[in-house]
Amino acid sequence: QVQLQESGPGLVKPSETLSLTCTVSHGSISHYYWSWIRQPPGKGLEWIGYIDHSGSTTYNPSFKNRVVMSVDTSKNQFSLKLSSVTAADTAVYYCARHAGQWEPVGFWGQGTLVTVSS
Amino acid sequence: DIQMTQSPSSVSASVGDRVTITCRASQGIRTWLAWYQQKPGKAPKLLIHAASSLQSGVPSRFSGSGSGTDFTLTISSLQPEDVATYYCQQAKSFPLTFGGGTKLEIK
Repeated sequence: QVQLQESGPGLVKPSETLSLTCTVSHGSISHYYWSWIRQPPGKGLEWIGYIDHSGSTTYNPSFKNRVVMSVDTSKNQFSLKLSSVTAADTAVYYCARHAGQWEPVGFWGQGTLVTVSS
Repeated sequence: DIQMTQSPSSVSASVGDRVTITCRASQGIRTWLAWYQQKPGKAPKLLIHAASSLQSGVPSRFSGSGSGTDFTLTISSLQPEDVATYYCQQAKSFPLTFGGGTKLEIK
């Protein structure tokens, strides 16, 4: 069964760029939609956006122009960059897979905590 | 954005009880609704999609219903392993949005 694993720094300084990568194993990155979803400590879930295997993206407008997602099909990976971070961006970040554009998340990574602090 | 409002925010029930959680959308979403279960320290797990379709492998005591703006998740006979926070999510339009969650505890 497909597995997703997030990787990246656990600590980012304010105003800098948060960068995470999700590696997909036991399955192809093709033919699916790949999301980033975050959860601040003790709070609910927030969808950041998603990307498909061709690189087409849909972002949550709440993140305005701070977010960029990319995909590397040769490595079976997709990535998130969130710029100009503040303490409010401290959260567990999950990568996730949707079977289709309007389908729910069927598979989730385990999540990685990113703390924004100087 | 479509706002998703869950109630109650927390509920405590006894083993064997029937538990119902509601989710209301700020505008009609037909049946573009999913329910997730999240246990402490874990990623969410999909329980229900398309408002009432049980995800493969999910116990049959879980069921979903509703369409338009009002939805319910029902656990027919609460088990100790059902202690978790439950979230609804709409997939009718972007941005995808989640309810605030319902924390379920055992009395």
